[in-house]
Amino acid sequence: AQSVTQPDIHITVSEGASLELRCNYSYGATPYLFWYVQSPGQGLQLLLKYFSGDTLVQGIKGFEAEFKRSQSSFNLRKPSVHWSDAAEYFCAVGGAEYGNKLVFGAGTILRVKS
Amino acid sequence: DTAVSQTPKYLVTQMGNDKSIKCEQNLGHDTMYWYKQDSKKFLKIMFSYNNKELIINETVPNRFSPKSPDKAHLNLHINSLELGDSAVYFCASSRFGTGEDTQYFGPGTRLTVL
Repeated sequence: AQSVTQPDIHITVSEGASLELRCNYSYGATPYLFWYVQSPGQGLQLLLKYFSGDTLVQGIKGFEAEFKRSQSSFNLRKPSVHWSDAAEYFCAVGGAEYGNKLVFGAGTILRVKS
Repeated sequence: DTAVSQTPKYLVTQMGNDKSIKCEQNLGHDTMYWYKQDSKKFLKIMFSYNNKELIINETVPNRFSPKSPDKAHLNLHINSLELGDSAVYFCASSRFGTGEDTQYFGPGTRLTVL
């Protein structure tokens, strides 16, 4: 079955440090890949998405993600984390093989320490 | 203007009751969705409507009945509420409902069944 794995449930980084959140997927063809962020008590906001072309995509709030087909990964990165980045981050995959619906990973909670 | 809105934001009710959650989007999108986020923050799609027509119906108890009076509204009615229905329910919308579409999420409705 198609699935999305976010191996890290929690990550804590210091403010100003770099960040990488991992996401792996299982999918036969090239998937459509998304990263969403959920702040406490809020809905989900799209950070960035990948459909095709350049495998390094830029998103909002200084985030970027790189699609690596050989590793079936779509990891989210940020060079310098701000305290306001503390939230939960969800990787999601869409496409015809998923019945044109989004399948979400379990999420990674990011804590930022000052 | 709020793009995707849900009411109510919080809903506390007793087991066995019937309740509804309303969703409206002003983005002009053709497709709307209901997701359930459980206590472990796992987000799973329940239903999807495209131009008032049901296109995705996941394995959801038939106590849950979505209704779409027009393409800007998708309501969720739940009969005979059970403790396990306690969760946050998110409404979302997208332009076409295809796999590459960006989905825009509402703020969520936290349902607590006592």
